[in-house]
Amino acid sequence: GAVVSQHPSWVICKSGTSVKIECRSLDFQATTMFWYRQFPKQSLMLMATSNEGSKATYEQGVEKDKFLINHASLTLSTLTVTSAHPEDSSFYICSAQGPGGTMAEAFFGQGTRLTVV
Amino acid sequence: AQSVTQLDSHVSVSEGTPVLLRCNYSSSYSPSLFWYVQHPNKGLQLLLKYTSAATLVKGINGFEAEFKKSETSFHLTKPSAHMSDAAEYFCVVINSGGYQKVTFGTGTKLQVIP
Repeated sequence: GAVVSQHPSWVICKSGTSVKIECRSLDFQATTMFWYRQFPKQSLMLMATSNEGSKATYEQGVEKDKFLINHASLTLSTLTVTSAHPEDSSFYICSAQGPGGTMAEAFFGQGTRLTVV
Repeated sequence: AQSVTQLDSHVSVSEGTPVLLRCNYSSSYSPSLFWYVQHPNKGLQLLLKYTSAATLVKGINGFEAEFKKSETSFHLTKPSAHMSDAAEYFCVVINSGGYQKVTFGTGTKLQVIP
């Protein structure tokens, strides 16, 4: 099946710094990528949807100035957590959709555990 | 509207006994249904998927699930639990329209007792 690579798998950063998470589709062109956040003991919540070459669409309640999403190519999307704070500590996962609009499987990255100290 | 309900937040079974993790869904479109497993501090791994072919779907590690449209259910089962099955399991619905709308259940944490 298709492979989505997410990097880094874990990161610890100081409060006030920014962290960039990369999501790459390794063997297909991802026209749409999705970013999720998982709070402890909760399910994954969609943060935003990014289409290649256009601005991301954020879900209600997600601060677009804090969570910067870039989808500059068909194989790479990045999520930057700006001015991170301890409450941003979470598990972030990306998923990717190929061209044609329909993909009967969500291909997920392995996730990034962010800890802000 | 699309939704997924995982009826049990925690399930505890003894090693060697059957596993049943329940999932009910609602969707305006013909859905594709998936079960993913997440081990501690790991990403999501696909267990199995239903995409309008056979209603009984076999997955990895001995898991299977049956799509029952009349009951809007997609319960996950395994005849005999293994210690390595202890993890969190997510039922996921994806619509079959042109826009991929992914809806996660809240997850079921499976505990396997030796």
